[in-house]
Amino acid sequence: DSGVTQTPKHLITATGQRVTLRCSPRSGDLSVYWYQQSLDQGLQFLIQYYNGEERAKGNILERFSAQQFPDLHSELNLSSLELGDSALYFCASSVEQGAYGYTFGSGTRLTVV
Amino acid sequence: AQSVSQHNHHVILSEAASLELGCNYSYGGTVNLFWYVQYPGQHLQLLLKYFSGDPLVKGIKGFEAEFIKSKFSFNLRKPSVQWSDTAEYFCAVIPRSGNTPLVFGKGTRLSVIA
Repeated sequence: DSGVTQTPKHLITATGQRVTLRCSPRSGDLSVYWYQQSLDQGLQFLIQYYNGEERAKGNILERFSAQQFPDLHSELNLSSLELGDSALYFCASSVEQGAYGYTFGSGTRLTVV
Repeated sequence: AQSVSQHNHHVILSEAASLELGCNYSYGGTVNLFWYVQYPGQHLQLLLKYFSGDPLVKGIKGFEAEFIKSKFSFNLRKPSVQWSDTAEYFCAVIPRSGNTPLVFGKGTRLSVIA
């Protein structure tokens, strides 16, 4: 157990639907990062939050959004889902800005059918 | 922005063979370097990291990596692999300032056969 908790572990949904992925960071970590892992694209950074505020944005589609709540947990919302959104979504957390590494959760495997 | 190249997409080795996985990065400033491992069906786990000092760093499970600044490289090595080392290995880099997120290479899949 890394200390970063992601739920759910698996999600199967239909195209056009909306889902919410949840992440609780390791105790004491202020930064939360979301990554998408697919076979062809590898690990792609989506977005970072630090203490409730958006800090950095990567290759995140407009159909995707995220937020970090006062208790520091984060949610990634994926809407108007397409087949190509099927992937593993990882959350990671770090102390401060993460220059000394991130701790990853177990991921949510999203399958869009 | 930084980028990371991992030269090998898939490596197949017999047990007890030696391993070296290449990693090169591109970034103009000072960076911190990492190797993560992802066992089948599991999350990424930190294998080893380099921040400063001795360029040869040792990690868990007998892995080591050497930072060669002049070559912008951070290759991963293990003298003798085991079947349990079958996994995907990711090299990653982040600026020392931490002002941009961790960037990963595309990963190298290692298959160790008996």
